[in-house]
Amino acid sequence: GQQLNQSPQSMFIQEGEDVSMNCTSSSIFNTWLWYKQDPGEGPVLLIALYKAGELTSNGRLTAQFGITRKDSFLNISASIPSDVGIYFCAGRRTTDSWGKLQFGAGTQVVVTP
Amino acid sequence: SAVISQKPSRDICQRGTSLTIQCQVDSQVTMMFWYRQQPGQSLTLIATANQGSEATYESGFVIDKFPISRPNLTFSTLTVSNMSPEDSSIYLCSVPQTSNYGYTFGSGTRLTVV
Repeated sequence: GQQLNQSPQSMFIQEGEDVSMNCTSSSIFNTWLWYKQDPGEGPVLLIALYKAGELTSNGRLTAQFGITRKDSFLNISASIPSDVGIYFCAGRRTTDSWGKLQFGAGTQVVVTP
Repeated sequence: SAVISQKPSRDICQRGTSLTIQCQVDSQVTMMFWYRQQPGQSLTLIATANQGSEATYESGFVIDKFPISRPNLTFSTLTVSNMSPEDSSIYLCSVPQTSNYGYTFGSGTRLTVV
C-alpha cells in the first residue's frame, strides 16, 4: 500500500509565484525522487536525492532529502505555464528490493497567467 | 537515460478479453518494472521482470492475471488477462537509469475496459 503522504493535493498559483510541496513517511528511505507527469505521458524524473540532508537544484527546482530520511520537499521558483502537471514524490526504502518505489499521491499544479 | 517505447499507447477492450502491452528499451537492462496507475491515482508496482527468470509480483498481483514475459534484455510484455472494468488504468514500464538511482518510465498504455 501507499506509504508516502504527499501534500498539498493540488495548488492553483499565479505565474511567477513559488510552489512548495512535500512528502512524509513513517519509514526510512535511502532514495528520494521527484517526478513530473504531463497528461498522456509517463512520469519524468526531475531530481534524485541519495543522502540525508542533501539539497539539490535543477534549474528552478530545488529538492531536499530530509535529515531524518523520512521526508523530502520540492520547491519550484518563479512558476511558468509549462510547470502545469502532476508532481509525484517517490522513495525507495532501505528494506525494499532494487527498483521498488513507493509513490506519493501526487500534487496537481495549475499555473494561471 | 534509456529510451522506452511502449505500445499500444491506448486501447479500449471488451471485458473478458486480454491485452498484451509491449515495452522496448533502446539499451540492455537487467531489470524492468511494470506499474499500474489507476484513474486519478498514484503508481503502484505490479512486478519486477528479470531476463531469464520468473517475474516477481507484488502483493495483490498474481501471475495468472498479469503474466509477464522477458525474452531478452531489451524487451518485456505485460498481459492483462480476463479484463474487467476495474482493470481500466494506465500501465507503465520502467527501467533503472544508468546515470543515477532514478528510473525512466515509458509513456504508458491507457487501457479502458468496457
